[in-house]
Amino acid sequence: NAGVTQTPKFRILKIGQSMTLQCAQDMNHNYMYWYRQDPGMGLKLIYYSVGAGITDKGEVPNGYNVSRSTTEDFPLRLELAAPSQTSVYFCASASRDRRFLTQYFGPGTRLLVL
Amino acid sequence: QQQVKQSPQSLIVQKGGISIINCAYENTAFDYFPWYQQFPGKGPALLIAIRPDVSEKKEGRFTISFNKSAKQFSLHIMDSQPGDSATYFCAASGIISGAGSYQLTFGKGTKLSVIP
Repeated sequence: NAGVTQTPKFRILKIGQSMTLQCAQDMNHNYMYWYRQDPGMGLKLIYYSVGAGITDKGEVPNGYNVSRSTTEDFPLRLELAAPSQTSVYFCASASRDRRFLTQYFGPGTRLLVL
Repeated sequence: QQQVKQSPQSLIVQKGGISIINCAYENTAFDYFPWYQQFPGKGPALLIAIRPDVSEKKEGRFTISFNKSAKQFSLHIMDSQPGDSATYFCAASGIISGAGSYQLTFGKGTKLSVIP
């Protein structure tokens, strides 16, 4: 199993540009998440999904959109990139084994908005 | 009420020493407490986890101590090694009010440096 994969690894965007961060998992997990990580600020939840066709906002959703058309894929869309979106983005998937949530993270996408 | 407070923000320990990282939570609905380890340039990876019906869990050099009444839990790394140098995140899992689904709430992380 490849686990959780993310592409690209690194991207530079100009202010106002748009892009899609890709995330895929091959573990047949229902739960998927997008986080951003800023230095010293931990992980902040952007959006999450509990299954194909079901998504919901997390703590910091403004400026982002997601879709979940399949169990495997959970892309994150940035519209009109802003410098405040410079961050490292992590996708995660999770299974719930007897009520306990175990999240598996991808390697991250480093985004720089100039 | 969804917060998980983690301390210290950074920690320097000599090789062979004990590293201790503390976390506190407020939401009594949390029912699972994992710790994640993150090396530079990598995603967080599950290190060890504990359920609230257990007061301690040990895996090798890593031990979680859990105090349900105080709503606190901690990670102890015995015989700390330079290879343990990483950022450690505590987390708590439960159904988030209004969301209706299980989520993890993370602490802000502790950067551990183990010096030879």
